[in-house]
Amino acid sequence: GAVVSQHPSWVICKSGTSVKIECRSLDFQATTMFWYRQFPKQSLMLMATSNEGSKATYEQGVEKDKFLINHASLTLSTLTVTSAHPEDSSFYICSARTLEAYEQYFGPGTRLTVT
Amino acid sequence: EDQVTQSPEALRLQEGESSSLNCSYTVSGLRGLFWYRQDPGKGPEFLFTLYSAGEEKEKERLKATLTKKESFLHITAPKPEDSATYLCAVQATWIMNRDDKIIFGKGTRLHILP
Repeated sequence: GAVVSQHPSWVICKSGTSVKIECRSLDFQATTMFWYRQFPKQSLMLMATSNEGSKATYEQGVEKDKFLINHASLTLSTLTVTSAHPEDSSFYICSARTLEAYEQYFGPGTRLTVT
Repeated sequence: EDQVTQSPEALRLQEGESSSLNCSYTVSGLRGLFWYRQDPGKGPEFLFTLYSAGEEKEKERLKATLTKKESFLHITAPKPEDSATYLCAVQATWIMNRDDKIIFGKGTRLHILP
């Protein structure tokens, strides 16, 4: 149980274009989903928290107009990187939790490369 | 300020050589402490949740323990497939509208030599 999927697993895009990453909880309803960014050999950096049907809460320093998050249902959240630049290249990971438990279950991650 | 510190940063062990990873934390109030395993290029895999001092949990060669200030992840007779980065995270008692946030340590990179 507690499986989270992400799509795509990797993506290459050109500078200035937008990219959408999907995060799905496959066997449970996720009241809250989280988006993280991870640089090589570094720990996870929380970007934003989203609750189903509500606007996402962004961490300090994360541009909400650049990283658009939508949590339209209890099983799906999307992260759209708008007008991507090479510095946005990174490993993006989502996680999900239920209302009843504190632990977060992570997706496999999406490797974004902006050329 | 709430903080999670993991040590050592990296650890190399021979196969079968038992050891422990440390996670010390400073939070205003602990709701839960989590251990995750992360393989290169993958998302973290959930291992354990510990809620109160004195609690222990086991899974195969791993055993997690919790005190009021730190947690240990004991690895008994490790195998090369146990090589990974082990992350510790805590959920503190935050003000209501931020109580979903958990704080991650930087991880311990464990390498088991055959």
